[in-house]
Amino acid sequence: EVELVQSGAEVKKPGESLKISCQGSGYSFVSFWIGWVRQMPGKGLEWMGLIHPGDSDTRYSPSFQGQVIISADKSISTVYLHWNSLRASDTATYYCAKILYYMDVWGKGTTVTVS
Amino acid sequence: EIVLTQSPATLSLSPGERATLSCRASQSVNNFLAWYQQKPGQAPRLLIYDVSSRATGIPARFSGSGSGTDFTLTISSLEPEDFAIYYCQQRSNWPRFTFGPGTKVEIK
Repeated sequence: EVELVQSGAEVKKPGESLKISCQGSGYSFVSFWIGWVRQMPGKGLEWMGLIHPGDSDTRYSPSFQGQVIISADKSISTVYLHWNSLRASDTATYYCAKILYYMDVWGKGTTVTVS
Repeated sequence: EIVLTQSPATLSLSPGERATLSCRASQSVNNFLAWYQQKPGQAPRLLIYDVSSRATGIPARFSGSGSGTDFTLTISSLEPEDFAIYYCQQRSNWPRFTFGPGTKVEIK
């Protein structure tokens, strides 16, 4: 079964750093892009960026360029979303998704609360 | 950037009724358009890709149509589990995906 398992919920203070993870299994992890999507409380879906775990080629939405860092460790089939300095406005649920042209398999989401 | 708009924002219907959801793009998306369903507290789920192809395991009551800039998701007869929020998404200018704002299908 193809699955993306995301790390657990986080509660952080403004200015702190954070790295959340998304581990894939059940498929060739290095062969498919993984995307990150933000969903702020009560709001819609926002595409943040994506990474190809095979070569770490990374593309960002202009709205998130410079705000987050997406990385991958193919040896453990995991991609990451990293903030150097969190803001209250980063409070949201973050989803990773495998991309086969579209986002065909999603993780359950990681809720980040910055307060 | 390609902007997607969805209408209506909310659709109030009863089980068994037909739902018609609209998605309009600010420029042609070359039929690279998908629909996702999201239920409260859950991750989105891919329903339809490339305008009209159903994703694996999606019931036949879900269908997609359209071309160019105007697209429609139709649910032929609403089941109780279909009440959710539906998003359209384009991949025409990959890797710059964009999502529409969503249509909430609620029980009347």
